[in-house]
Order: sequence, then structure tokens, then C-alpha cells
Amino acid sequence: GAGVSQSPSNKVTEKGKDVELRCDPISGHTALYWYRQSLGQGLEFLIYFQGNSAPDKSGLPSDRFSAERTGGSVSTLTIQRTQQEDSAVYLCASSFSGQGLSQTQYFGPGTRLLVL
Amino acid sequence: EDQVTQSPEALRLQEGESSSLNCSYTVSGLRGLFWYRQDPGKGPEFLFTLYSAGEEKEKERLKATLTKKESFLHITAPKPEDSATYLCAVQELATGFQKLVFGTGTRLLVSP
Repeated sequence: GAGVSQSPSNKVTEKGKDVELRCDPISGHTALYWYRQSLGQGLEFLIYFQGNSAPDKSGLPSDRFSAERTGGSVSTLTIQRTQQEDSAVYLCASSFSGQGLSQTQYFGPGTRLLVL
Repeated sequence: EDQVTQSPEALRLQEGESSSLNCSYTVSGLRGLFWYRQDPGKGPEFLFTLYSAGEEKEKERLKATLTKKESFLHITAPKPEDSATYLCAVQELATGFQKLVFGTGTRLLVSP
């Protein structure tokens, strides 16, 4: 079956511009996560959605970052007024549920963001 | 604060030369420990989940084991196609949801 998809695969933008990154999770998965992978660093949790509940935003690095999930499916991560330190690979993952017994998270291919 | 430390940072093996990768973790209570494989330019690919000390799982040339404070990924008779970055991640019981806390990975290169 189809895995997690993300778009665009690559994005180059100028400092100060806004960008939107999209994630389409595996069908039937209620939990969706965004992570960031910077060069030489491990994956860093950003935000978590469970169904239609309010998201856990505890990992967002600043108020320039926001995300939404429409209809409990597709999610968009928005970065406003991008800075060079925002350059990274942004990864989306989904799982059957985000609560209860441990669930495997399946990752998309990522969006490589470069801020010039 | 959760901490996951992987060693070595990089490992170079000859084809057929077995070795082990280490993942040390500190959490107040472990919900699960995950191993992923990541190829250049791709997202992490799930390999194993381990839940309790003493548990072992195998897949082809890979075997993952878990103790109370660390996990090992044993690679037996590796092939060049096993070259990748191997990521370890933990989920903590105290966290109300299942975010993964990752180590920085071990870059494995297997030469023919």
C-alpha cells in the first residue's frame, strides 16, 4: 500500500520568506508527527497530531513554526520568515495511533529545505 | 531529559566482517526502543521494536537485543547493501504520547 508522502521533496527559499510543507499520512493512521533532521544532529520532534484533537506543539522551536491537520488526514507545516538555521530535512511520520501500546511510526521521504 | 547515545559514529567493515552497533539510553521508563535504517536522501525505514530487557529480534543479517540501559544491533556477515545510517530511538512511558527521541545514528559502510 501507499506509504507516507511529502511534498515538495526539495525547497529552496530566501531568508524571510514563508514556506509550506505538506504531509499525506498512511490511510487509516490517526497519529501524525513532524520531525526535523539537521546536519550532524539526530531527528528532533516538532509536533504531534492525534485524530482531531488539539496538537502537542511542545517541540516547535519558535512561534514562526506552525502546523495544521485538516480532516484528520493531510498536514501542513508552515515556517514564517524563514531563517538560515531553519535549513534541514523535515520528516513526517504516521502511526495507527499515538496512544496506548507502542505503535510503529512510518516515515515519509522528507522535504529538504534550504534557506539562502 | 531523555538521552540516546549511539556508538560508534561511523563504522567501516569488510564484507562478511560481523560487528555490533550500540545504543545507550536514559529514560525514566521505557515504552519502546526502535531501530531504523536510513539511506542517503530517504526517510528512516523501520527495522525493529524492543520493549523489555532480554528481548531479541532478528531480520536477515540483523539482530537487535535490549538490556535495561542499552541496545545492540548485531550485523552478521554484512553485505555492501547493508551500508546505511542506523538510527536508534526511544519512547518514554511518562510521555502522554509516543514521540520518538533519536540518537545521532551510526553510519555503516560495508566494502566488498
